[in-house]
Amino acid sequence: EPEVTQTPSHQVTQMGQEVILRCVPISNHLYFYWYRQILGQKVEFLVSFYNNEISEKSEIFDDQFSVERPDGSNFTLKIRSTKLEDSAMYFCASSEPTGGYPLANYGYTFGSGTRLTVV
Amino acid sequence: DAKTTQPPSMDCAEGRAANLPCNHSTISGNEYVYWYRQIHSQGPQYIIHGLKNNETNEMASLIITEDRKSSTLILPHATLRDTAVYYCIVTVDKIIFGKGTRLHILP
Repeated sequence: EPEVTQTPSHQVTQMGQEVILRCVPISNHLYFYWYRQILGQKVEFLVSFYNNEISEKSEIFDDQFSVERPDGSNFTLKIRSTKLEDSAMYFCASSEPTGGYPLANYGYTFGSGTRLTVV
Repeated sequence: DAKTTQPPSMDCAEGRAANLPCNHSTISGNEYVYWYRQIHSQGPQYIIHGLKNNETNEMASLIITEDRKSSTLILPHATLRDTAVYYCIVTVDKIIFGKGTRLHILP
């Protein structure tokens, strides 16, 4: 079964450093997403991406965050200057188009996540 | 998610059917009902979705009331591996997770 692959599985970084989290979505999917989950809290939407641009973002996704699809396979989330409160699990997801409504017939496939620890 | 109401937790005996309820009284006509689950700290997993009709797949069944104001996810023969947080989501667009129902499968 096709999978969304995320690397690394765990990353430790010092406060103020830049981090890049990497994701390889399912190959025929066109919609991509990042979510995060702070320990013990619910999964929060960060951003959705389609046709090489952000289609929607949450209040959490401020100027410190950016996303990119640098080639045909990778989808990255960059945090420019990490803060302690950025420590969380970050999940990438992708979905398959269904002609105007991406969710109408298919659910999102999530990766296993990257655990980011800012020290 | 303020659009749905789910019990915070439920227990089910192993081998029995697990019936997880969800209220979505303000659902609009073009919104689907989606169910996902999250096992421990793994990535959320899509289970099933529906618009008006009941749906069944290899994982579960989804029963939607005629007025669409509530639904039930049924895991027909629960196993210990079904222990997870189950999320009911009503949407036409992006998936927004609420607090879900923590399902405990008892041996």
